[in-house]
Amino acid sequence: RKEVEQDPGPFNVPEGATVAFNCTYSNSASQSFFWYRQDCRKEPKLLMSVYSSGNEDGRFTAQLNRASQYISLLIRDSKLSDSATYLCVALSGGSYIPTFGRGTSLIVHP
Amino acid sequence: DAGVIQSPRHEVTEMGQEVTLRCKPISGHDYLFWYRQTMMRGLELLIYFNNNVPIDDSGMPEDRFSAKMPNASFSTLKIQPSEPRDSAVYFCASSPSTGVYTEAFFGQGTRLTVV
Repeated sequence: RKEVEQDPGPFNVPEGATVAFNCTYSNSASQSFFWYRQDCRKEPKLLMSVYSSGNEDGRFTAQLNRASQYISLLIRDSKLSDSATYLCVALSGGSYIPTFGRGTSLIVHP
Repeated sequence: DAGVIQSPRHEVTEMGQEVTLRCKPISGHDYLFWYRQTMMRGLELLIYFNNNVPIDDSGMPEDRFSAKMPNASFSTLKIQPSEPRDSAVYFCASSPSTGVYTEAFFGQGTRLTVV
């Protein structure tokens, strides 16, 4: 079982929709969490960090639920340009080496 | 800064041949990671270095794979002999050592096809 699990999707949504992804992690010692975005045939890039209190960056909101060991990413008012794969990342305490999920594919259509 | 630079961008080789992938990390970054990405397995960590020293190579699939970092500005990942199942996108990433993880900066990747 992978340490970080994601629903691969694809999530197919119309422009303007709100979409949410969840990601579960198995290592309860994980301390830091992130979302990366990967466009087709491109490298992953950091989208946002996930803080315990939850954090928002424009249309994007990330939340952490330590009790249930999952993190979430909410995208409001989806744009065509949001189409990409979203990778969940967890870091175990001590190593600070990121473990990536396999990613969730989002397709936003007109 | 030019970011993490990988070469070649694409490599097509015949089974049994040696393949060498190259990476130049961002100047000043202490950590360097080699990842492999496939549809089936996603992004897998192969090996990482800290200050040019290999720290964990438990992700290297087998002895056919080897990685070196002779200095702070250069690393190689070598596959010898290559097999069709090695076909994947290989990413190199680097990050600064700040005591807490901030961000891994990825190169554009090398798309390897072994025929």
